Amino acid sequence: KAGVTQTPRYLIKTRGQQVTLSCSPISGHRSVSWYQQTPGQGLQFLFEYFSETQRNKGNFPGRFSGRQFSNSRSEMNVSTLELGDSALYLCASSLGWTGHEQYFGPGTRLTVT
Amino acid sequence: AQTVTQSQPEMSVQEAETVTLSCTYDTSESDYYLFWYKQPPSRQMILVIRQEAYKQQNATENRFSVNFQKAAKSFSLKISDSQLGDAAMYFCAYRSPYTGTASKLTFGTGTRLQVTL
Repeated sequence: KAGVTQTPRYLIKTRGQQVTLSCSPISGHRSVSWYQQTPGQGLQFLFEYFSETQRNKGNFPGRFSGRQFSNSRSEMNVSTLELGDSALYLCASSLGWTGHEQYFGPGTRLTVT
Repeated sequence: AQTVTQSQPEMSVQEAETVTLSCTYDTSESDYYLFWYKQPPSRQMILVIRQEAYKQQNATENRFSVNFQKAAKSFSLKISDSQLGDAAMYFCAYRSPYTGTASKLTFGTGTRLQVTL
């Protein structure tokens, strides 16, 4: 099976712009979670989608949003980018959302200038 | 809220030797899942091993094994016969099984493992 894929892999944006990141889960996986990784804050949970519904949300401002499509692919959007949004954004997929392992994609490296 | 602590920012091991990475966690839940993930320089997060709290037997995956001490809330990872390819950042993670929080992984700050010749 193909693993989790994320596009784009690298992105450079200017402060104030918005950005959309995409994640395609492993075939058959219905749950997609997003994490932000920074040197200062480490790995932080953003949100999780299961069957097109947001099931859980981390402690991030409303500028961070996401959605999931009927084929389980997910997108994450960040509006009005700030310098502090520069990070590695990781997507993880799992079969369900209780007890199943999460498998991660390679991440999208976002740089905000 | 659950917390995960990795008190060793960096560890070093010689090739073919054994190393143990420490992890402690805090939770009021009686059932949960614990994981070790490896993040090499490529940044791809790779699942190494998983442990269910209700299982007393320690999980093992080839050269990787854990020492799970539920009462002490300790979950250490032992890497035997270390290889150069084991060099990476290792993260300990906690996951609740309960509805509403089950999807969230809570990570420790990581331990950078160096493998020397």
